[in-house]
Amino acid sequence: DAKTTQPTSMDCAEGRAANLPCNHSTISGNEYVYWYRQIHSQGPQYIIHGLKNNETNEMASLIITEDRKSSTLILPHATLRDTAVYYCIAAKDKIIFGKGTRLHILP
Amino acid sequence: DTAVSQTPKYLVTQMGNDKSIKCEQNLGHDTMYWYKQDSKKFLKIMFSYNNKELIINETVPNRFSPKSPDKAHLNLHINSLELGDSAVYFCASSPLAGGSYEQYFGPGTRLTVT
Repeated sequence: DAKTTQPTSMDCAEGRAANLPCNHSTISGNEYVYWYRQIHSQGPQYIIHGLKNNETNEMASLIITEDRKSSTLILPHATLRDTAVYYCIAAKDKIIFGKGTRLHILP
Repeated sequence: DTAVSQTPKYLVTQMGNDKSIKCEQNLGHDTMYWYKQDSKKFLKIMFSYNNKELIINETVPNRFSPKSPDKAHLNLHINSLELGDSAVYFCASSPLAGGSYEQYFGPGTRLTVT
């Protein structure tokens, strides 16, 4: 599985869009980009995933660059409940969690 | 209804004991997993079962033995518990064994070995 690189932590004001970057420069053609988050003391929560095209669901949008070497998770209107550790994972069939980005939503 | 449930939520036990953690999913998924999250918050996969068959077995001591009586259940038995086994254990399930899929996690079982 490709290694991913994410910032250790980020802040975002409540109500603003939170843009979380991820680098996965060694991703292979059949690996998907997954995003999960873990709110304190809870199990990880699936957010979104994609292969080549940008994806959107009720939680977030995923923007994948054309060369697939990086992606951005967008939470369009961040709330305090979005404070969590966000994991970007590039994988085919086995998900390996890294250290993630600790996102703080500021009131 | 809880999609992926685990019991117990908390488990405190002494070194050398044998314990089990149960996991059930009502999502109709074919694949289930066990993960361990240690005190440093690293989340590592331990096992994966697809339709009751073991498909992923990471480097885990053989004191840990998963048991899948049916595809909706994956239990974790731990023999001769050690202090280093203290962690939060998460069960998860997914609809497919390969290709694109998302995993749904349970609430976790916090195991403390004294």
